This record gives sequence, C-alpha cells and structure tokens, in this order.
Amino acid sequence: DQQVKQNSPSLSVQEGRISILNCDYTNSMFDYFLWYKKYPAEGPTFLISISSIKDKNEDGRFTVFLNKSAKHLSLHIVPSQPGDSAVYFCAASGETSYDKVIFGPGTSLSVIP
Amino acid sequence: SQTIHQWPATLVQPVGSPLSLECTVEGTSNPNLYWYRQAAGRGLQLLFYSVGIGQISSEVPQNLSASRPQDRQFILSSKKLLLSDSGFYLCAGTGTGLYGYTFGSGTRLTVV
Repeated sequence: DQQVKQNSPSLSVQEGRISILNCDYTNSMFDYFLWYKKYPAEGPTFLISISSIKDKNEDGRFTVFLNKSAKHLSLHIVPSQPGDSAVYFCAASGETSYDKVIFGPGTSLSVIP
Repeated sequence: SQTIHQWPATLVQPVGSPLSLECTVEGTSNPNLYWYRQAAGRGLQLLFYSVGIGQISSEVPQNLSASRPQDRQFILSSKKLLLSDSGFYLCAGTGTGLYGYTFGSGTRLTVV
C-alpha cells in the first residue's frame, strides 16, 4: 500500500508561470514532510520541508502548503524556470530524525522556455 | 554537515557476475543508512536499511544483499546479477538533528 502518493507522473509549465506539484498521504502519524528534487543521473537533493504543526513554509521561489485534514500537501514554484525541470519527490517521515522517510513515486516537471 | 560518497558512478556488468557497491559517510556518527533503487521511469524503492554495524533490514526480497562492516560504510552486493537488477542505486543517510536524508550521487548499473 502506497503511503505517499503523487498522482501526476508528469507536469509541463511555461517559464515564468506557477508550477504546482501535489502529494497525498495516508498515514496520519507522519509528522514531517519533505520535497526532494532530482536531476537525471544524480542523487536527490533536499528542497524544502514542513512540520505537521505548520500549514505553510516558504523558501524563495518555493512554498510548501500542508492540509492535514485532507492529508494533502503541495509544492508551489513561482516563477518557474527552465532549471527547475527535474523529478520532484514528495516524502514523509515520523517525529524523529531517525524515522524512515517514505517517498512518493515522483512527478517529472518540465518548464518550457 | 553529512556527505555521502558512492562509487562507481557507472557500472556495466554481465548477467551472472558479482556486484559490490560501496557507500561511505562523512560528517556524522552512527547514521542510519539506506540503499534505494530507482528503476527506469519509477520512483525510489527502499531495498535495505541499517541502524548500526552488522544490522541490516531488507525491505523487499531480491537478488541483492547488504552489509555494514563499519559505522560509516554500507555495501550493496550480489553473487550473481540478473538483468532485472539494472537501475540507478542510491545510498542515503540520516543522523542526529537531520530530518530527511542526504543522498549520494548514485550508481547507474546496467546488467547486460
């Protein structure tokens, strides 16, 4: 059973517009949510995270929104740039840093110049 | 900060040959360590994780095995590779005070 879901395998957005990547989870015990970005032939790199006690976290062009009641989070990228083209993984974890991180299947974002 | 070193970056091996991929960690002690595989067009599949020396948990039955001979060393092995073992292998680690993982740069394994 997939605990972290990313139902859109791919997304195309025009440069300068907003990219919205969605993620749903099933386990209400998750306490921490993360987004990773991955380029081909490279390891994923940490992008942004949010604790379950918050509903929004912003870092430059990246904002993550969390709706705990809906078990849904989203990553907004504004404005989108061609260098943002990558696979984005949504991930969730328990309350300690030693808890396993569960990854979604990823969404491939293409930002078109 | 934590750094994960992985090698080699690319590997082409014939079916039936052995495999050994090594991962080492810098910057933290007693990290949890993980091996993931990303098959073509697929997400990250957790293969093994280790919470300490000699402690290995397997997430999926497969042709691979893992070992942790030292605190900061994690090895992925196979005695006889299958075509289905092809993929992109990632080592990851987590330590005290760090949420989420730090990933290595990955190894692209092609079994021919």
